[in-house]
Amino acid sequence: EAGVVQSPRYKIIEKKQPVAFWCNPISGHNTLYWYLQNLGQGPELLIRYENEEAVDDSQLPKDRFSAERLKGVDSTLKIQPAELGDSAVYLCASSLAFGNEQFFGPGTRLTVL
Amino acid sequence: AQKITQTQPGMFVQEKEAVTLDCTYDTSDQSYGLFWYKQPSSGEMIFLIYQGSYDEQNATEGRYSLNFQKARKSANLVISASQLGDSAMYFCAMREGRSGSSNTGKLIFGQGTTLQVKP
Repeated sequence: EAGVVQSPRYKIIEKKQPVAFWCNPISGHNTLYWYLQNLGQGPELLIRYENEEAVDDSQLPKDRFSAERLKGVDSTLKIQPAELGDSAVYLCASSLAFGNEQFFGPGTRLTVL
Repeated sequence: AQKITQTQPGMFVQEKEAVTLDCTYDTSDQSYGLFWYKQPSSGEMIFLIYQGSYDEQNATEGRYSLNFQKARKSANLVISASQLGDSAMYFCAMREGRSGSSNTGKLIFGQGTTLQVKP
């Protein structure tokens, strides 16, 4: 069974440019999460989806960040415009609707110059 | 507020020895779950072990065991017979709420502990 897929693995952009990350969860997993992980710290939740509905986006900086999961499967996280402080790893995870385990993808490491 | 504390930024252990990674948590909820994840240098978070707050026995998964002391609010990870491949960052995390509740899903992570296994 394939795990959570994320692309790209690495992205380098200049500040003020837009950037997008893509995530494909494990087949059958209805719940999808986007986490932000700063260097040397644990991940922090940005947004959680139940199917196509964003049920917890309280930590998402909505002035520059947006996310979508149109068909309830794969998801895209966008930053526009990117700032220097956005340099981090963006992790996607998925779980069964009420499962105990969250399975993580390899993450996208973003560097903003 | 919910909080996870990992007080050991870095740990060393000799190959084949056991090591304990500390984790304390703070929550007012009666129902919660505790997790340990491993993050090697490749970046992926790998699930290791889970303990529910109502589980009476400590969880075990192969060489991993969770020393759950509910009164002390601690959930330490014990790795037995360390291997070189165990060198990684380890995160303790907590999820509040029961399956089916509106709070299910959000994980709160600690700062992590870097473990280095010496040959």
